[in-house]
Amino acid sequence: AQSVTQLDSHVSVSEGTPVLLRCNYSSSYSPSLFWYVQHPNKGLQLLLKYTSAATLVKGINGFEAEFKKSETSFHLTKPSAHMSDAAEYFCVVRPNQAGTALIFGKGTTLSVSS
Amino acid sequence: GAVVSQHPSRVICKSGTSVKIECRSLDFQATTMFWYRQFPKQSLMLMATSNEGSKATYEQGVEKDKFLINHASLTLSTLTVTSAHPEDSSFYICSARDSLQSTGELFFGEGSRLTVL
Repeated sequence: AQSVTQLDSHVSVSEGTPVLLRCNYSSSYSPSLFWYVQHPNKGLQLLLKYTSAATLVKGINGFEAEFKKSETSFHLTKPSAHMSDAAEYFCVVRPNQAGTALIFGKGTTLSVSS
Repeated sequence: GAVVSQHPSRVICKSGTSVKIECRSLDFQATTMFWYRQFPKQSLMLMATSNEGSKATYEQGVEKDKFLINHASLTLSTLTVTSAHPEDSSFYICSARDSLQSTGELFFGEGSRLTVL
């Protein structure tokens, strides 16, 4: 069975400090992994994705994530938080099967203070 | 990038009425679309997989007679909430996969917020 666990429901940082949003996954297959961001009352925007290529994935807005198979983790990081980064972040797994939908984590709310 | 459009973005209806939400892939063809539901401050839960030209596949616990899905063309899927009740109030999001892309990346609509009075 496939699942994804976001270890923190809420993360608070100050502007300019690093961001770490943690995600662990469970998958019977070699998964594809994604991070999505959702601003209030908005749809989802893809930040980055891992699809069995390079384990360090760079995304938009300065975010990156590292796929660590030994730790079954796919943590999202950013060196310096910006106020506009405040949003809900979802770690998502898709088993590498055609037509299979995405499995979402419960989300992490990122708050950024000035 | 690919665009998925949802309409309406917000809808308020009276209890007992039906509401239709459209999901369109604007610049690609999608043989498969997915409908998700999101309760406040919660994650997205897959409701059903919509397949062009065939019946939708519903997740366990989702009433197929309550949430009617039609995927009549390669660019349009509709979700109709029939006889809506206040507990159906939620944020509904669709996603679509570009049929011609080997990566099978999913693109999401902006979501539709349904409020049932």
